[in-house]
Amino acid sequence: GAVVSQHPSRVICKSGTSVKIECRSLDFQATTMFWYRQFPKQSLMLMATSNEGSKATYEQGVEKDKFLINHASLTLSTLTVTSAHPEDSSFYICSALTRIAGAYNEQFFGPGTRLTVL
Amino acid sequence: AQKVTQAQTEISVVEKEDVTLDCVYETRDTTYYLFWYKQPPSGELVFLIRRNSFDEQNEISGRYSWNFQKSTSSFNFTITASQVVDSAVYFCALSETGSQGNLIFGKGTKLSVKP
Repeated sequence: GAVVSQHPSRVICKSGTSVKIECRSLDFQATTMFWYRQFPKQSLMLMATSNEGSKATYEQGVEKDKFLINHASLTLSTLTVTSAHPEDSSFYICSALTRIAGAYNEQFFGPGTRLTVL
Repeated sequence: AQKVTQAQTEISVVEKEDVTLDCVYETRDTTYYLFWYKQPPSGELVFLIRRNSFDEQNEISGRYSWNFQKSTSSFNFTITASQVVDSAVYFCALSETGSQGNLIFGKGTKLSVKP
């Protein structure tokens, strides 16, 4: 099956620093990857859609200058949380889109990255 | 606009009980996909099922079954003879065909199965 990895799985950083999270599709190519954020006891909220070779599309209310997304290859997208603050502490999940049987595009999810900003 | 409602925030059952998790969706598309995911305490999303809007057959997979009713826009999930390992948060999600696979998640239902 399609496997998506995320690195790191857990990160603790000081307020004001930047943190980079990697999302890789291990056994398939993905022109599109998604980044979600999940606060404790809440649902997954889509932050942005990352397309290989072009700028990411951000959802309303998500600051593109704070959450930098780079999708430089067909197997790697990165999310950089710049100048992180405690309110950015959350569980960040990526997914990679690939076409499966028929015309359907399916998302495969990474295991998530838990970010804690002190 | 598309929307997924999981009205049950938390459910607690005793092991071996049956439990049904409700999911109601809204969409203007005639072609769409519905999903259920399980999220155990580790956080990783586990895919359970995908159903397309043209397939209203109910599905059974072991102790899991799903009831898709287009007439009521519902896609309910039943766990038969629940086990402690079923304890998790369960999310229902919707994807419309024109959305490039974008998923709209419900708020989730936390299921606690006690021994």
